[in-house]
Amino acid sequence: DGGITQSPKYLFRKEGQNVTLSCEQNLNHDAMYWYRQDPGQGLRLIYYSQIVNDFQKGDIAEGYSVSREKKESFPLTVTSAQKNPTAFYLCASSAKSSYNEQFFGPGTRLTVL
Amino acid sequence: GESVGLHLPTLSVQEGDNSIINCAYSNSASDYFIWYKQESGKGPQFIIDIRSNMDKRQGQRVTVLLNKTVKHLSLQIAATQPGDSAVYFCAERRTSYGKLTFGQGTILTVHP
Repeated sequence: DGGITQSPKYLFRKEGQNVTLSCEQNLNHDAMYWYRQDPGQGLRLIYYSQIVNDFQKGDIAEGYSVSREKKESFPLTVTSAQKNPTAFYLCASSAKSSYNEQFFGPGTRLTVL
Repeated sequence: GESVGLHLPTLSVQEGDNSIINCAYSNSASDYFIWYKQESGKGPQFIIDIRSNMDKRQGQRVTVLLNKTVKHLSLQIAATQPGDSAVYFCAERRTSYGKLTFGQGTILTVHP
């Protein structure tokens, strides 16, 4: 099956610890994205990558970091500098020919204790 | 600032009725407007998009209308079914890249 996988589904961390969220896609998409979703709110873009070894900051990049060493992988690190890291994190990908249609993973719910 | 937003946070309809979900936007420079559906505990799914030079676009049971004069976007769902219950987001894209800006969302509840 083609799609996007995120792991784990639920993640708990202590305050002050960095944590890395996994995102893998086998859709052969060039572009990948990370969004944050808070209760009752829309999605806010953290980082996005149009091509391997290149990425850009989104609207709320502070306290986050990413890498894009492989086309199929776009891991997100939530650092201790992120003030309110508890949220639902969604990864997505899209083809160059169809930027409007982003395919989303199931999400990772991060809780920082 | 520039934003995409929704008039109503919740909408309840009876099964079989038509639903209309509204969205206001503030940036006239947007090239595309897109609707996504998010079911509980899942990632959003693409529904339909419309280019800024169009007024209307139809899909399967859905129609998107764009009124650029008043900067208003709507999603019409015909013969709404319980499986349509979800949060619906409008989004807009302004550049040649895939960066989307999402609105707050409308919760649609369909009663059997």
